[in-house]
Amino acid sequence: EVQLVESGGGLVQPGGSLTLSCEASGFTFSDYRMSWVRQAPGKGLEWVAHIKQDGSETYYVDSVEGRFTISRDNAKNSVYLQMNSLRAEDTAFYYCARLSLLPPSYWGQGALVTVAS
Amino acid sequence: FRLTQPPSVSASPGKTITISCTRSSGSIATNYVQWFQQRPGSSPTTVIYEDNQLPSGVPDRFSGSIDSSSNSASLTISGLKTEDEADYYCQSYDGLKWVFGGGTKLTVL
Repeated sequence: EVQLVESGGGLVQPGGSLTLSCEASGFTFSDYRMSWVRQAPGKGLEWVAHIKQDGSETYYVDSVEGRFTISRDNAKNSVYLQMNSLRAEDTAFYYCARLSLLPPSYWGQGALVTVAS
Repeated sequence: FRLTQPPSVSASPGKTITISCTRSSGSIATNYVQWFQQRPGSSPTTVIYEDNQLPSGVPDRFSGSIDSSSNSASLTISGLKTEDEADYYCQSYDGLKWVFGGGTKLTVL
C-alpha cells in the first residue's frame, strides 16, 4: 500500500523558515517524480513544486520560486520542502503527492503551515 | 494560464450536472485535462484523466470532454447521488508544471 506521511508543519512568523518532510512507503521511491501541493484553509488546490526521480530537475510555481526548495533523499525514501521568507499567504495544508498523468495519484494527509505573528 | 471553474453547482439526486473549466490562454486541446474529486477531510482522487478517460472504480455516471470552440473542458455527472457531494478540480499542464482550477463545490440537495 502506498503511503505518504508528512511532518514538520507548524506556526512560523512572517519572514521565517520551515522545512517539511515526507516519508514514502509501499513503492519504489526512486522510480517516481514527487510533488508538493498546497491548499489554504477552505480554498482550492495549488501545485507548488516537483522534483525528478534522481533530483536533477526541479520545478516551482511562480509564487514560491526563489523562496522554496524541493529536495529528496532516495536512500531515505523521503522528499523535503524547505520554505524560506514565509508570508501570510503561504498558510496552507501542504500535501506530499505522487502525481501522475495516469491515475492513481497518491496524496498524503497534509501538514498545516501557519504563517502568523 | 489559468483554469476557471464556477464556484458552485447544485442539483437534486438523479439529475445531471456539468462543471466547466475554461483555459485562459493557449488551446485546451494542447494538454490533457484531469478531474479530481475531494470530499471533506479527504485527499483528492482522480475521476477523469486524459480529458475523457474513466479510471477503474469510478462509476460511468462520470464523463469528461473538451470543447475547442469554448476552450474549455467539462465534467458531467449523471444520476446524481448524495455521495457525489464534494469539491471538484480540473487540472492541466503548463510544460512540466501542473495547473489546477479554482474548484467547484457540488451540492446534492
